Parts: sequence; structure tokens; C-alpha cells
Amino acid sequence: QKEVEQNSGPLSVPEGAIASLNCTYSDRVSQSFFWYRQYSGKSPELIMSIYSNGDKEDGRFTAQLNKASQYVSLLIRDSQPSDSATYLCAVNKGNNFNKFYFGSGTKLNVKP
Amino acid sequence: NAGVMQNPRHLVRRRGQEARLRCSPMKGHSHVYWYRQLPEEGLKFMVYLQKENIIDESGMPKERFSAEFPKEGPSILRIQQVVRGDSAAYFCASSPSTRAYRTDTQYFGPGTRLTVL
Repeated sequence: QKEVEQNSGPLSVPEGAIASLNCTYSDRVSQSFFWYRQYSGKSPELIMSIYSNGDKEDGRFTAQLNKASQYVSLLIRDSQPSDSATYLCAVNKGNNFNKFYFGSGTKLNVKP
Repeated sequence: NAGVMQNPRHLVRRRGQEARLRCSPMKGHSHVYWYRQLPEEGLKFMVYLQKENIIDESGMPKERFSAEFPKEGPSILRIQQVVRGDSAAYFCASSPSTRAYRTDTQYFGPGTRLTVL
């Protein structure tokens, strides 16, 4: 079983719609959670971090965490073509070893 | 610019040569991580280092690959006797500390694209 699982997509949404990206993780002791965006040929760029159950909003982005169900999601409101990228979910178990576990990413296409 | 720096950005090697990839973490960061990404694939963890220590090398191939993070200077990922299958993007990330995980985040450098001819 992989530590972090994501649907590879592609997820296609029309411009202006809400894009919903999901991620599940296997280890209940996981403590901190991150979403990165990666454009083709570029390096991952941090979008959001979340540590507590519930929602965290930052501009058009909302991260949602449900530790009981072991899933994290990212909502992108008013999606723009410039949001088209691969979105990586990452989990830090918060133990003595500061190792991140990355999902394989979900490719998002926002169609004009 | 205090971001993570990697060089070279592009590296071409012939089979059998050595590749040395360098990573300078963000200012104030003492933890370095190396990842490999094949085209159209996800990030694969390779190794996690602190200054002068390898913390976790569970993702490193057993042969030909080594990494170091000396007391002075950048972290080095070294690939000996490269083969075509080593062609990939190699990303370095850094984070500030181990204990304060709630403030820890990994910040990525621009990557080194290795092409083995």
C-alpha cells in the first residue's frame, strides 16, 4: 500500500468552475499535510499546508483535512487556465525523521 | 534571492561518465532532500541529509549513487558510471528543522535535468 495516493487524472474542468483534488494517506500518525503545484518542466511549488481537521482557505484555494477518514483535499475556486498543472499531495509523519511522502500527483486541465 | 539553488540546471553525460549535482539549501535551512522524477511520473524520494549526516537513504539505488552534505559547501548527489536510465530531473528540497514540524515545509530548487547519451 502506498503511503499517499492520488488519482492521476487528468481532471478536466471548465474555466470558472471549482476543481476538487483528493488525496488519501495510509498512516494515521501523519501530522502535517501539503499541496504542491508543478507546471510541466518546472519544480514543485508550495500552495498550502494544513495541520488540523477542517478547512483552511487562502485566496481561491481551500485545503480540507479529515484525519478520521485519512484524506486531504484541495479545492480551487474560479479555476483559470493558468491553474492547469499537476498537483502533488505530501504528508509528513512528524516523527523524528522529517521525511515527506509524496503522492504521484493529479493532472488538472482547466479549459477556457 | 535566498531560495534553494541547484546547479547545473542541465547536464549531459555519456554512458559511463560521472554526474555531480549540487544543491545549496535556503539560508537558515539545515536539512536537504533529493528526489528523482522521470518524465510523466511522480517524485521519488532518494535521500535525506543533515549537515555531515545521512538521515535516510532508503530511496537511493544500492550502487553507483551517493550523496553528501558537508559542513561547508553544498550538498552533492553523485552518480557514477551513468546509464541511460539515469536520465531524469533531480530535485533538491530544503527545510529548516526536525523538531518544529509544524513550521517545517520543504522548498524545492529548480532541479537539474540529467540527460545520458
